[in-house]
Amino acid sequence: DAGITQSPRYKITETGRQVTLMCHQTWSHSYMFWYRQDLGHGLRLIYYSAAADITDKGEVPDGYVVSRSKTENFPLTLESATRSQTSVYFCASSEGSSYNSPLHFGNGTRLTVT
Amino acid sequence: GQNIDQPTEMTATEGAIVQINCTYQTSGFNGLFWYQQHAGEAPTFLSYNVLDGLEEKGRFSSFLSRSKGYSYLLLKELQMKDSASYLCAVPPRGQAGTALIFGKGTTLSVSS
Repeated sequence: DAGITQSPRYKITETGRQVTLMCHQTWSHSYMFWYRQDLGHGLRLIYYSAAADITDKGEVPDGYVVSRSKTENFPLTLESATRSQTSVYFCASSEGSSYNSPLHFGNGTRLTVT
Repeated sequence: GQNIDQPTEMTATEGAIVQINCTYQTSGFNGLFWYQQHAGEAPTFLSYNVLDGLEEKGRFSSFLSRSKGYSYLLLKELQMKDSASYLCAVPPRGQAGTALIFGKGTTLSVSS
């Protein structure tokens, strides 16, 4: 079935390690996004991408790296994980061709940094 | 910039009607979204308003007043499964295709 999938669903890593969260969508949507969700802050945008090889920073990009070599994939890498990056990470995609294009979210990755 | 305010929590009983408010300040306006998020799950799209007035979708309705920077989500005939967080969101800078800015969400608890 078409959709947006994230992996892994759960991840525990240690401070200082590099970790990559995967996101794959089968709708051929142009736009993809990474959000983190924390109590008291809600959903905050980390990075987004308008198309393959086009990415831009969001509200909280520090400590994260993204790439988009193929339209369907948008991995998020934490170069050196910190405890403050413990969060639930959501990937989303959007057709983006009009203002009323909704975001479609993946099921999230719950990341714990110890 | 953008600023979105929603109440943090609300409670209601089965069968009742509840109104969840959202106020926003944004430079350039191109609509307002409502999402529902059950605990431990992904947000899912509920509604989009760009014109003033009320739009109804079954038990859920969404209202917008652009002049007041105000929207509400109206849930009728509440059911236990409506217990969730409800997120208000707007596109920043009024640009299509960019990410949404979300409010912190309103957690609704429905009791029997």
